[in-house]
Parts: sequence; C-alpha cells; structure tokens
Amino acid sequence: QLQLQGSGPGLVKPSETLSLTCTVSGGAISSSNYHWGWIRQPPGKGLEWIGNIYHTGITYYKSSLKSRVTMSVDTSKNQFSVKLTSVTAADTAVYYCARQSTIGSSWYFDHWGQGTLVTVSA
Amino acid sequence: SYELTQPPSVSVSPGQTARITCSGDALPKLFVYWYQQKAGQAPVLVIYKDTERPSGIPERFSGSTSGTTVTLTISGVQAEDEADYYCQSADSSITYPDVVFGGGTKLTVL
Repeated sequence: QLQLQGSGPGLVKPSETLSLTCTVSGGAISSSNYHWGWIRQPPGKGLEWIGNIYHTGITYYKSSLKSRVTMSVDTSKNQFSVKLTSVTAADTAVYYCARQSTIGSSWYFDHWGQGTLVTVSA
Repeated sequence: SYELTQPPSVSVSPGQTARITCSGDALPKLFVYWYQQKAGQAPVLVIYKDTERPSGIPERFSGSTSGTTVTLTISGVQAEDEADYYCQSADSSITYPDVVFGGGTKLTVL
C-alpha cells in the first residue's frame, strides 16, 4: 500500500528557508500519470496547494508562491522535497505531501502523508 | 485564477441527508474532487471527477453537478461522517496550471 511520510524541522526562524522531504514507500515515485504535490493548511484554516513535481523534474507552482518555492525529486531515494524561502509567520502551517493523479485533465490527490507542522517563529 | 465557494457549515441529524455545495464560474468546464478531513487527520479523497467514488468509500457518499454548482451528498449520515469537507478543482489546460480548494464546510452531526 502506498505511503507517504513527510519529514523536516518543525521550527523555522523568520526570513529563513523551510525545507521538507517526503519519502514514498509501497510504490515508485517514477510512476507515470502521477505527480507529487505539496499542500499546506494554516492552523484552523483551509487547504492551499503549493505545487507539484513529476519524476522527470517538471514542476508546477502556485503563482503567488512561485518566487519563493523550489521543488526537487530524488528517484533513487523515492523522495521529493520542497523549499520555501524568506518565510514569515504566515507560512506557519501543517504541510502535507501527496500523490497527485494527473491523468488527462484530472488533477487530484489520492494519497496523502500525515502532515508536518512547521512553525515560523524566532 | 478562480474561486470555489462552499458554505462554512452544514448540520444534520443522524440518518438524514447532508448536501454540501461547491460553486464556481469555471466548474462547467472543470472536474471537481471532494475530500473529507477529520480532526487532526490528513484529508481523504471521497469523490473524484464530479461523481466517481474511490474504492473503500461508502456508497452513501455521492456527487452531482449542475451548471456552476457541484454537490456532495451524504445519504444516511452517520456520526463518523462529522468532518470538514473540501472541494477542489484544477485547470491543467493553461500555461500555468492552478489547483484550487474551496474554503471548506464543517459538517456537524447533531
């Protein structure tokens, strides 16, 4: 069964860079028809898509975050990662990694990691 | 970009039918997906491509669409269905694809 496990620091200082990694088990990250995405959820608020990456390295980012986000993939480790620069308190959220089905015009998340709470604070 | 609008809350008694709507001008040309998120847990996909139900999701969950509004219907609501529900859509046909979530609806089972 496919599982995703996010990992990374739970506390980041303002203006620094948030870095998270998601390890995929039970399936290959190089599977066709799937991208690998990041979604965040500020405490008590809704879901926000950050972006997604294909195993070839093709990326799509939310336009409002594009200047601060970089995603990468390591197929040898079955992992993908996200970096968010110049963070502020507004970036405090639970960060989810997820498998994103991208068959045709259908883009949706069919498997999610458990979420990693990242707090931005000095 | 575009927006998806959901009611903040819906309340029903056990056994009744809950209907949660998701509205947006772009929906006639885009698929909608629904997620259930219970407190402290990751979201779970319950409906994809407007009306399809993933394996393992109870039959009481169904989706329908009419114009600019898509509806998640939960028939015979059970206490375990109390959760936040989010709709999501995506426009992958444009130069910079965008994935959008609705604001979420809290379903309370009275």
